[in-house]
Amino acid sequence: EDQVTQSPEALRLQEGESSSLNCSYTVSGLRGLFWYRQDPGKGPEFLFTLYSAGEEKEKERLKATLTKKESFLHITAPKPEDSATYLCAVDNYGQNFVFGPGTRLSVLP
Amino acid sequence: EAGVVQSPRYKIIEKKQPVAFWCNPISGHNTLYWYRQNLGQGPELLIRYENEEAVDDSQLPKDRFSAERLKGVDSTLKIQPAELGDSAVYLCASSLYTQNPYNEQFFGPGTRLTVL
Repeated sequence: EDQVTQSPEALRLQEGESSSLNCSYTVSGLRGLFWYRQDPGKGPEFLFTLYSAGEEKEKERLKATLTKKESFLHITAPKPEDSATYLCAVDNYGQNFVFGPGTRLSVLP
Repeated sequence: EAGVVQSPRYKIIEKKQPVAFWCNPISGHNTLYWYRQNLGQGPELLIRYENEEAVDDSQLPKDRFSAERLKGVDSTLKIQPAELGDSAVYLCASSLYTQNPYNEQFFGPGTRLTVL
């Protein structure tokens, strides 16, 4: 069965304190891995798509990387406005599209 | 450009009552998705449309849930009758079809359903 897990469940950082969020997946085939950001009371907002191991993508203070079994979302020098829930999802060539439970990030000023 | 529009934003109903949610996708987006999100969890895909055709509805509980997308634009998701466990946020998303049908989805704000 396709599974996506994320860790930690919640993370509190001081402003400027860099860290990484993990997304581990078990799928029979990976067409794409996606990262989304979700603010309270809103729908998820697309961040990145990664297609193959070794691929990296960056956007402002965020960098996403992909290996054969997991993806990391690195946050460099975070600011309070980066506080949100970060979700990853995997596409098993259309057989399944599964979101993980998310990591709730709080960045304190 | 307007984003994905959903209505209502909130709905409170008694169990066994019917309920319907409406979604208007971004203009020109031919792929539309309905998700259910329980508190503290990620969204769960219920159904995906390519134009007016439901191409993936394997996760839709068909005994009480139904969906339609007439003319390949707006969509309605219905629950009849609602049960206590249906309380959740129902999200609609849309995207332009590419080789990867799940790439870059744009989500609406969701409808928060409470079943009493």
